[in-house]
Amino acid sequence: AQKVTQAQTEISVVEKEDVTLDCVYETRDTTYYLFWYKQPPSGELVFLIRRNSFDEQNEISGRYSWNFQKSTSSFNFTITASQVVDSAVYFCALSLGGYNKLIFGAGTRLAVHP
Amino acid sequence: DAGVIQSPRHEVTEMGQEVTLRCKPISGHNSLFWYRQTMMRGLELLIYFNNNVPIDDSGMPEDRFSAKMPNASFSTLKIQPSEPRDSAVYFCASSWYKRGLAPSYNEQFFGPGTRLTVL
Repeated sequence: AQKVTQAQTEISVVEKEDVTLDCVYETRDTTYYLFWYKQPPSGELVFLIRRNSFDEQNEISGRYSWNFQKSTSSFNFTITASQVVDSAVYFCALSLGGYNKLIFGAGTRLAVHP
Repeated sequence: DAGVIQSPRHEVTEMGQEVTLRCKPISGHNSLFWYRQTMMRGLELLIYFNNNVPIDDSGMPEDRFSAKMPNASFSTLKIQPSEPRDSAVYFCASSWYKRGLAPSYNEQFFGPGTRLTVL
């Protein structure tokens, strides 16, 4: 069975703190893709990053970084020096090699306080 | 370039009424997805189409729900009759997919959603 677990329901930090959002996935497929989406208070879902199962290189984009470890089936997301605008619900998702069907985790609500 | 367009943005209706949600995918995309988001169940995939053909509708809750994609630029999700438990935000998403092209990992672009309230 395929599954995505985001164990952290809510995280609250003060501005400028670093914060890591955890994502653990389950699949028996060898080819799969992992995604992170952001859902700000306005409600739309915004694509952040995509990673395929053959590429375990970590990625950094500005204050965002992602750590993909196949050995632990994890794809964690770190925000460095968090800002109030980072407040949102963040979803991790798994897509298998077929038609890009996304399996979402339950989401982590991040609140960044000034 | 316009993103995924959904209408209406908000819909309030009474139990038993028919509800039709509409979606226009991004031009050139050939895959379309309907999702439902609720507090209890999170984001659930209801159905998805590839080249206007329904591929997997296993997420459709029951026969009251139906979806169509008559052409590449339009899809509808219909609920008839609606019930209060159908209240949710319904998202449409589109992406480009080509079978056999490996790796195929094009991200889905989401519309703004339709917030449905069934009284």
